[in-house]
Amino acid sequence: SAVISQKPSRDICQRGTSLTIQCQVDSQVTMMFWYRQQPGQSLTLIATANQGSEATYESGFVIDKFPISRPNLTFSTLTVSNMSPEDSSIYLCSSRRSGFGESYTFGSGTRLTVV
Amino acid sequence: SQQGEEDPQALSIQEGENATMNCSYKTSINNLQWYRQNSGRGLVHLILIRSNEREKHSGRLRVTLDTSKKSSSLLITASRAADTASYFCATAIQGAQKLVFGQGTRLTINP
Repeated sequence: SAVISQKPSRDICQRGTSLTIQCQVDSQVTMMFWYRQQPGQSLTLIATANQGSEATYESGFVIDKFPISRPNLTFSTLTVSNMSPEDSSIYLCSSRRSGFGESYTFGSGTRLTVV
Repeated sequence: SQQGEEDPQALSIQEGENATMNCSYKTSINNLQWYRQNSGRGLVHLILIRSNEREKHSGRLRVTLDTSKKSSSLLITASRAADTASYFCATAIQGAQKLVFGQGTRLTINP
């Protein structure tokens, strides 16, 4: 299965600032996704990152708050904008490879703390 | 939004005992997957069961799927301290490429 390198692994940020999280996949993948995991909770899908077009956001998530880029088939970024303490979570990216059945791979996550 | 629920939310058993976790979902699916997460970090894929399958085994893991009841169970036999983790079911919804996760079960294996 694909291997995802996610950076940074953790960060502590001041409120009002923005953080960009990067995910690099070691092979071309058809689908990439971004999830948020609030403390003690499950994973909630933020959006599907589409290559060469705007991301598809889930209900409750908007582009102004979570802009996403996917310039090619192996790379995507998620920006958490104008952060507040409520944004403190783990953010994970995921990928799915076409032709490999239902193979999904996850990055190791970014633990974000907003102070 | 979450696809469904898992129960129990937390489970604590003695090492060597079996652990059973249940997952329910709401919509038609292509497959259902189980993941493990240690210490709130990366997810480890455990097992996948397709919508036309009823039971699947992998080592000490046994997964069942009942599409009529929209439910699945994960059984871990002969549990070990290293099995202590959070376990999540995730459904690949028909007509969509994304995975939707259940609430998760926190499993603690006591030595």
